[in-house]
Amino acid sequence: VQLVESGGGLVKPGGSLRLSCDASGFIFTDYSLSWIRQAPGKGLEWLSSISKSGTTIDYADSVRGRFSISRDNAKKSLHLQMNSLRADDTALYYCARLGPPDYYDYWGHGTLVTVSS
Amino acid sequence: EIVLTQSPATLSLSPGERATLSCRASQSVSSYLAWYQQKPGQAPRLLIYDASFRATGIPARFSGSGSGTHFTLTISSLEPEDFAVYYCHQRSNRETFGQGTRLEMK
Repeated sequence: VQLVESGGGLVKPGGSLRLSCDASGFIFTDYSLSWIRQAPGKGLEWLSSISKSGTTIDYADSVRGRFSISRDNAKKSLHLQMNSLRADDTALYYCARLGPPDYYDYWGHGTLVTVSS
Repeated sequence: EIVLTQSPATLSLSPGERATLSCRASQSVSSYLAWYQQKPGQAPRLLIYDASFRATGIPARFSGSGSGTHFTLTISSLEPEDFAVYYCHQRSNRETFGQGTRLEMK
């Protein structure tokens, strides 16, 4: 199982970024997926989840209306469109798989997003 | 939002000692609680799910207990590789993580 995030970088406040997570080593359509972030030196914050088919989506209050999760089952990829970025969105962004016990059994290594002028 | 409060923030112990980490929920999460271990520069690793079940490949020295609002992660005899940050996580009602307990070597 591999999850590889990409798309992070330096962006100005108010800007946008699109993160991607490419999956391999498992049947992509069998699993729900999530984005979770970790600000520098801080704890973990769940951001958004998407069901296997993509029909059920949920967001944390902190990002609802600004971030949008999606998946492309044909390409085995997960995405996070981030708009209206703020300094407090600066973090390492992980994609993670919801495994059979319904918790996060595999994680990517993360992609760093820095929001600064 | 269910708030998970972990204690202590930092725990200083020596290899071979027993570690007891606590996670309290602001309202009941039944048994829908997991524990993760995170080492510097690494992604979190699932240790315990549904409060008391060890994830695949997790050594028997790790155990979890509790239900409702009070949960405990116990490491029976610390190995050098166990010194890390530990997070609890609930999926009962929206998802939240605790703020973490740093287990450091004395």
